[in-house]
Amino acid sequence: AQTVTQSQPEMSVQEAETVTLSCTYDTSESDYYLFWYKQPPSRQMILVIRQEAYKQQNATENRFSVNFQKAAKSFSLKISDSQLGDAAMYFCAYRRSGGGADGLTFGKGTHLIIQP
Amino acid sequence: NAGVMQNPRHLVRRRGQEARLRCSPMKGHSHVYWYRQLPEEGLKFMVYLQKENIIDESGMPKERFSAEFPKEGPSILRIQQVVRGDSAAYFCASSSTGNYGYTFGSGTRLTVV
Repeated sequence: AQTVTQSQPEMSVQEAETVTLSCTYDTSESDYYLFWYKQPPSRQMILVIRQEAYKQQNATENRFSVNFQKAAKSFSLKISDSQLGDAAMYFCAYRRSGGGADGLTFGKGTHLIIQP
Repeated sequence: NAGVMQNPRHLVRRRGQEARLRCSPMKGHSHVYWYRQLPEEGLKFMVYLQKENIIDESGMPKERFSAEFPKEGPSILRIQQVVRGDSAAYFCASSSTGNYGYTFGSGTRLTVV
């Protein structure tokens, strides 16, 4: 079974600084997708960024980028120029590829605090 | 495009009652997924449905829980004879092709008293 581990229950960063959230996963599959979701206090799950395992290039979305290390099964999220609105729970998630569309496997989350 | 709509947003049930949670997927999406989030936890997959079919229910508790996605109308997650341990946030997500991207609803917070 696939597992996703987020080893940082909580992270704190000064506004405008850069922060990196860690995520490791375990799978025997060679093709899969990885995601970072943001969950603010409103509870809405918001997709931040996604990565296809077959792509070597790291995904980037504005201030958000990932460091995808397939051999190490590591998928960290870097947030540059942190803003107060970035404060939220961040969840790393895994989904295998192929037909049938299995559900996502989530980590337990990292609570990100932005210090003004 | 209204996104994934879940209702109610909050639901309070007494022990032993039934809870019905509704999810209307995004327009054009035919795949629906239900997840449960316990306090201080990530989301746990429960069930994946397409219209009139349950594709994967490996995450569903064996008793008291059921889900459907009829040809017409929303997907329903039904919990019979609720217990305190069922208190959680229940999220629905939908997708179009079954691959890649999901869109989540805002969740239903179920409280069992």
